Amino acid sequence: SSELTQDPAVSVALGQTVRITCQGDSLRSFYASWYQQKPGQAPLLVIYGKNNRPSGIPDRFSGSTSGNTASLTITGAQAEDDGDYYCNSRDKSGNLWLFGGGTKLTVL
Amino acid sequence: QVQLQESGPGLVKPSETLSLTCSVSGFSISSGYHWGWIRQSPGKGLEWIASIYHSGTTYSNPSLRSRITMSVDTSKNHFSLTLSSVTAADTAIYYCARDSYDYITSWGQGTLVTVSS
Repeated sequence: SSELTQDPAVSVALGQTVRITCQGDSLRSFYASWYQQKPGQAPLLVIYGKNNRPSGIPDRFSGSTSGNTASLTITGAQAEDDGDYYCNSRDKSGNLWLFGGGTKLTVL
Repeated sequence: QVQLQESGPGLVKPSETLSLTCSVSGFSISSGYHWGWIRQSPGKGLEWIASIYHSGTTYSNPSLRSRITMSVDTSKNHFSLTLSSVTAADTAIYYCARDSYDYITSWGQGTLVTVSS
């Protein structure tokens, strides 16, 4: 398969932990990266590689991979974490980019 | 810090060619990394279009490949995308981006292109 699959929507209570998942065969060979997008804004990188955060991203964001599934975990979700989250990785050939369909996170 | 800025017409007629340029500042394109385009149709997800390596090698989305041309102008430190034979389905926000192969490091702010007569 040359696709990445995400759940369309997930919700979490303020201060609780939420996991957003991304499934795809290419994840057995390549790490996923994760992007947060808010309305009217460009995507923002939040996790890359095995579990790396760019400067300025809070440490409540973390990433992991098991088999063909990558996960983004937010531990102690805040209201500002509300938004769309996209996973991204190389395809199995390593030449093309794939994006998941996105997960809309609602912080209640 | 690298900055990317898209430019191009906001309105293109059906069957015509869409042309966009991404101007890069704070980093020399010829120094490395990969440079590409990603789009987002209204209310939809992200779709990778194509990337060009500093070597000049280009890779593109198989679903768009026959209509895509990418080029780099190192003297102007910018790269460009043309998408031919556009239809309403090509209406989207077009982002230019830099990637390190493993992840997308930087994004432009995006430019909305509408295909309409």
